[in-house]
Parts: sequence; structure tokens; C-alpha cells
Amino acid sequence: DTAVSQTPKYLVTQMGNDKSIKCEQNLGHDTMYWYKQDSKKFLKIMFSYNNKELIINETVPNRFSPKSPDKAHLNLHINSLELGDSAVYFCASSRGRQSRPYGYTFGSGTRLTVV
Amino acid sequence: AQSVSQHNHHVILSEAASLELGCNYSYGGTVNLFWYVQYPGQHLQLLLKYFSGDPLVKGIKGFEAEFIKSKFSFNLRKPSVQWSDTAEYFCAVNAGDYKLSFGAGTTVTVRA
Repeated sequence: DTAVSQTPKYLVTQMGNDKSIKCEQNLGHDTMYWYKQDSKKFLKIMFSYNNKELIINETVPNRFSPKSPDKAHLNLHINSLELGDSAVYFCASSRGRQSRPYGYTFGSGTRLTVV
Repeated sequence: AQSVSQHNHHVILSEAASLELGCNYSYGGTVNLFWYVQYPGQHLQLLLKYFSGDPLVKGIKGFEAEFIKSKFSFNLRKPSVQWSDTAEYFCAVNAGDYKLSFGAGTTVTVRA
């Protein structure tokens, strides 16, 4: 069973479109994250939810809106896509609200290409 | 704000050579430290982690890392690399605020 699964794996779309990426984890973790990996492989956190509550919201354009219907799911909706949004988006999860997570489990990533 | 620095951008070595990747962080409080590996086209996998205790941590695939608090460092080592170790390696730090801050990554290329 895949622990953290993301769909779709690849997404090619035109500028201006709206798209969503979905993430689900079956680990029973309380906290989920979205990370963006740019073309230089640099990873940066975007959002984090703990038990459906938004706890981290980094400097991300308003066009990006996360949504967590329950603690096992964290979706990312992107409006008015721009060329600079092209990247690999990773979902991750960790256990607990304490500051010592056992480690983060990452999904396989969604490669978004905006043309 | 905390930051994570990885010294080497790209390391090229031959099979059986020893590998050491440097990682320094800037946060002064209690930290949790991680090394992740990303094989070509794949997701990040945890190699090892340090929370407390023995500063020499052993991970999977023969990797180990040493936490030196006075130097704010968490260097990754492997005595003898294989071609299959070709990957991107990321050092990451959590300072008790949920966020995992990553270094810029080191590309390791192992020549057969």
C-alpha cells in the first residue's frame, strides 16, 4: 500500500488554467504538507495542515489554495497558472503536533508543467 | 530564520570511494536533523535522522551521519559508494515548528 499518494503524477496545462493536485495518506498521521521543488531541485515548504487546521502558510501567491477535508487528505488548487508555477510538488505527512516528528513521509510528487 | 547549508553542489566519485557530504545549519536551539535521498525521478526517502543521544547515527544503505553540536554540523558519510548511490542528497532541519527546512541539495554521481 502506498503511504502517501498523489494524483496526478504528471500535469501539463496551459497558462491561465486552474488545476488541482490531490494527496492522501494512509499512515494515520496528523500533519500534512505541500512542498515545491523548483528546477534547481530546491525544496521549499508551502503549506501545512494539522488535523484540518492550517498551521503553516509560507509566502505563496493567493492563486494557491490548499484544502484539507479530513486529516488524511490535503489538496492543492492553483488558479490562473503561470509559467513559473512549473515545478514538482510533493505532498508529505508526519505524526503528531509535537516538535519531534518521527520523520516526514513524502509522496512521489506531481510534475506540473505550464506551457 | 533558520537556514541549512550544504557545502557541495555536485560531487563526482568512483565506485568504492568514500563519500562525505557537509551540512551546516544556523538555528541555535534544539533541532531534529535529517538526511534524505532522491533517486532520479523519484520521491524523497529518509536515509537517517537525529533527535538526541548518540551523535553518530546509522541509517539505511550503509550511510551514517555525525552531529557535532559545537559546529552546527550534521555531515553524511559512506565508506564505500556504489553506482546505485547516484542521487540527490538533502540535509534538512526541523526546529520545533513543524517546518522541515532543506538545504539546496548535493548531486552525487558515482562512476562505475
